Amino acid sequence: GAVVSQHPSRVICKSGTSVKIECRSLDFQATTMFWYRQFPKQSLMLMATSNEGSKATYEQGVEKDKFLINHASLTLSTLTVTSAHPEDSSFYICSALHSSGANVLTFGAGSRLTVL
Amino acid sequence: EDQVTQSPEALRLQEGESSSLNCSYTVSGLRGLFWYRQDPGKGPEFLFTLYSAGEEKEKERLKATLTKKESFLHITAPKPEDSATYLCAVDNYGQNFVFGPGTRLSVLP
Repeated sequence: GAVVSQHPSRVICKSGTSVKIECRSLDFQATTMFWYRQFPKQSLMLMATSNEGSKATYEQGVEKDKFLINHASLTLSTLTVTSAHPEDSSFYICSALHSSGANVLTFGAGSRLTVL
Repeated sequence: EDQVTQSPEALRLQEGESSSLNCSYTVSGLRGLFWYRQDPGKGPEFLFTLYSAGEEKEKERLKATLTKKESFLHITAPKPEDSATYLCAVDNYGQNFVFGPGTRLSVLP
């Protein structure tokens, strides 16, 4: 089945530094990947849609300059949290759209970011 | 605006006590309805896809059904390991899926 790998699973950084999270589709090509943010006991909040070879589409209220998304290949999308601050601490999850006749959305395991 | 709601928000069951979770949707078009299970601190895990009204799918103690306006996830004789948040999502032919808020299920031994 479709597998999405997300790395790192946990990261702790100091305020003001930048952090990169990778999302890879391991056994399929994903032209579209999604990035979500999730707060405790809340549902997924879509941050942006990442399309291979083009600029990401950000949801309203999500800062493009704060959350940089790059989708340079059909199997890799990255989310960079720039100049991170404690309020950016959260659980970030990626997903990839697997189009093999029918659309199926496969998720990564998530990345827990803690900004000190 | 397309919308997906889920009820109840939280559900506590005794082990072996069967129940159902509801997912109601109002969308302009339905290509597929998805159920996911999410454990704390992990990404959602795919369970089922349903494509048309009347369709049913089963996996172990779970059975998902679909009508024109809602889907049910039936849990038969649940075990503590079934405790998780269950998410419903709709592919409305848009660029992304519309997710419901989830139902937090706790199964007590």
